[in-house]
Amino acid sequence: GEDVEQSLFLSVREGDSSVINCTYTDSSSTYLYWYKQEPGAGLQLLTYIFSNMDMKQDQRLTVLLNKKDKHLSLRIADTQTGDSAIYFCAENTDKLIFGTGTRLQVFP
Amino acid sequence: GAGVSQTPSNKVTEKGKYVELRCDPISGHTALYWYRQSLGQGPEFLIYFQGTGAADDSGLPNDRFFAVRPEGSVSTLKIQRTERGDSAVYLCASSLTSGATGELFFGEGSRLTVL
Repeated sequence: GEDVEQSLFLSVREGDSSVINCTYTDSSSTYLYWYKQEPGAGLQLLTYIFSNMDMKQDQRLTVLLNKKDKHLSLRIADTQTGDSAIYFCAENTDKLIFGTGTRLQVFP
Repeated sequence: GAGVSQTPSNKVTEKGKYVELRCDPISGHTALYWYRQSLGQGPEFLIYFQGTGAADDSGLPNDRFFAVRPEGSVSTLKIQRTERGDSAVYLCASSLTSGATGELFFGEGSRLTVL
């Protein structure tokens, strides 16, 4: 079945790196995504990675994919207070299946 | 506007009542999705449309839930005989195409509270 799991909370100091982890179960997923949700706002696509890639970098964001272990991570370099939000990973076959979300709290 | 629009943004109703939630997708997007997000949870898939037809309704929890998209644009999610457990934020998203390559654009959601 489809199941995407994430740790619930992460707290980091401003300027440090954040690493948010995700495990998924559907090996046929073609793309894997990271979405961001801020209070009172809609889900916003941050980045995605194609399943035949190991890594993708986009400015402060680095996505790592270990397809053998079905493990996905999102690293945010130089984390800022504006990065505080809930981050969802999602796998996609014909529809997005979301994880439970990781609440990132950035403190000064 | 240019984004996905959902109305109402907030709906409070009594147990047993009927509710309709509306989604206006981005113009030209053929795929439309409904998700439900309960407090502290990730979005849970309900149904998606490719054009006018429901391509996958496997996430609808029971027969009290129904969705339509008669002209391939605006969609309405209908909930009959609402229960307190239906309280959640109902999210709509659209994309240019369905399948793995299409980025989903989400609306801000309709918050449903069933008293």
